[in-house]
Amino acid sequence: LAKTTQPISMDSYEGQEVNITCSHNNIATNDYITWYQQFPSQGPRFIIQGYKTKVTNEVASLFIPADRKSSTLSLPRVSLSDTAVYYCLVGSYGGATNKLIFGTGTLLAVQP
Amino acid sequence: NAGVTQTPKFQVLKTGQSMTLQCAQDMNHNSMYWYRQDPGMGLRLIYYSASEGTTDKGEVPNGYNVSRLNKREFSLRLESAAPSQTSVYFCASSEAAGDYGYTFGSGTRLTVV
Repeated sequence: LAKTTQPISMDSYEGQEVNITCSHNNIATNDYITWYQQFPSQGPRFIIQGYKTKVTNEVASLFIPADRKSSTLSLPRVSLSDTAVYYCLVGSYGGATNKLIFGTGTLLAVQP
Repeated sequence: NAGVTQTPKFQVLKTGQSMTLQCAQDMNHNSMYWYRQDPGMGLRLIYYSASEGTTDKGEVPNGYNVSRLNKREFSLRLESAAPSQTSVYFCASSEAAGDYGYTFGSGTRLTVV
C-alpha cells in the first residue's frame, strides 16, 4: 500500500477554513484515499473517501489533483470541537488489508 | 445504533495473566479488525478477519490470538500479558475486506504491570 506523509500538527482559529495535505507519491491506479478523525479517548471516525477530483459531504471536502500524488482535506469554518487527529489512508478495495497503515496523523488544534 | 461495542473499557493485568477482549458489531459487516494504539505510533493492525471463519495476521500479531466466534463477534486474547502490551485496543468492522470505511469501537485501555 502507498505510504502517506502528513504534517505532524497544525494550528487554527475558530471560524477559519483548514486544509490538511497528505502526500502519497506511490499511489496505485486502484487506490482510494480515505480520511479519518479521532478525538481523545475515542476510536477513529470515517470522514470522507475519494478517488479523483473533488468529493464533498456534510463534514468536509476532499480535493485530489489529476496526478493523485497528494490530497487535501478541507474543513470549512472549524470550531473548537474539530480539535482532533486526522489520518490519511491510501488503499484499494479488496487490497492487502494486513498492510493498511494509519500512521501518526495530523493533530489539529483549534483555538478560540 | 450501537455500531461496534467493546468490553471491557478499562483493564489492569499483572504480567503473565491472560484475558480476552470482546468485540461485537450489529451492522452485519463481514470484516472485523483489531488495532492497538500507542503514543506516537498511530494505529497498528494486530489481526483481522475478512469474513466469518477466517482470520489473518496483521502488522503486530505476536503475543495475541483471535477468534471470529460468528459474524457479529471477534475476540482478542492475550495468553500471557507483558508490559509491552500496555496500550489502547480498538476493534473495527467494515462491509468487506479492503473496504476502508471502517467503524471503530470506543476502545479498551489495557495496562499490564
